[in-house]
Amino acid sequence: DAGVTQSPTHLIKTRGQQVTLRCSPKSGHDTVSWYQQALGQGPQFIFQYYEEEERQRGNFPDRFSGHQFPNYSSELNVNALLLGDSALYLCASSLEGLETDTQYFGPGTRLTVL
Amino acid sequence: AQSVAQPEDQVNVAEGNPLTVKCTYSVSGNPYLFWYVQYPNRGLQFLLKYITGDNLVKGSYGFEAEFNKSQTSFHLKKPSALVSDSALYFCAVRDLGSLTDSWGKFQFGAGTQVVVTP
Repeated sequence: DAGVTQSPTHLIKTRGQQVTLRCSPKSGHDTVSWYQQALGQGPQFIFQYYEEEERQRGNFPDRFSGHQFPNYSSELNVNALLLGDSALYLCASSLEGLETDTQYFGPGTRLTVL
Repeated sequence: AQSVAQPEDQVNVAEGNPLTVKCTYSVSGNPYLFWYVQYPNRGLQFLLKYITGDNLVKGSYGFEAEFNKSQTSFHLKKPSALVSDSALYFCAVRDLGSLTDSWGKFQFGAGTQVVVTP
């Protein structure tokens, strides 16, 4: 049973560039959430996708956008990168319904903005 | 609005001794509470959750947590700590009890580093 996978593992970009991160949910899961975890902090909720729609959003600017595909995988896009966007980006998946309360996390993508 | 506080940045304990990691929360409705653990360069692993029912919740790897509504706390405990329990622990709350902007969103604490010495 495959868990949540994310790619790439690490990424280095420069200010102003754009980045796309990818996530495949745990087998059988249909909901994907994205989090930003800055060094020494807890994960901060970016947004959640269900049925290919953004269902909820945290306090992140429009530079952060996403997409969910029919196979439930998801992408996180960040435009006009800032130094402060350097963080570990975590994807979490869950199953809509009785188990919506438990999220399973991927290993994360470490983004460094220079 | 919902919030989670983990008052200790780090907890140090000797192997074999009891381990407690503290968490307090604030939500407008009934809380759904969670504990996750993070090892270096890894994602978060689910440990346990409280939704309803018994205040004492048992989870993975011998961990348990006690929900205390009057003190709005959800402390994580393990009777006998192992060196391999050394990691970063996160408490999280999900408010599904009221139709506010925070409805359904997970709010994580800042984390507590646990160091277990041999």
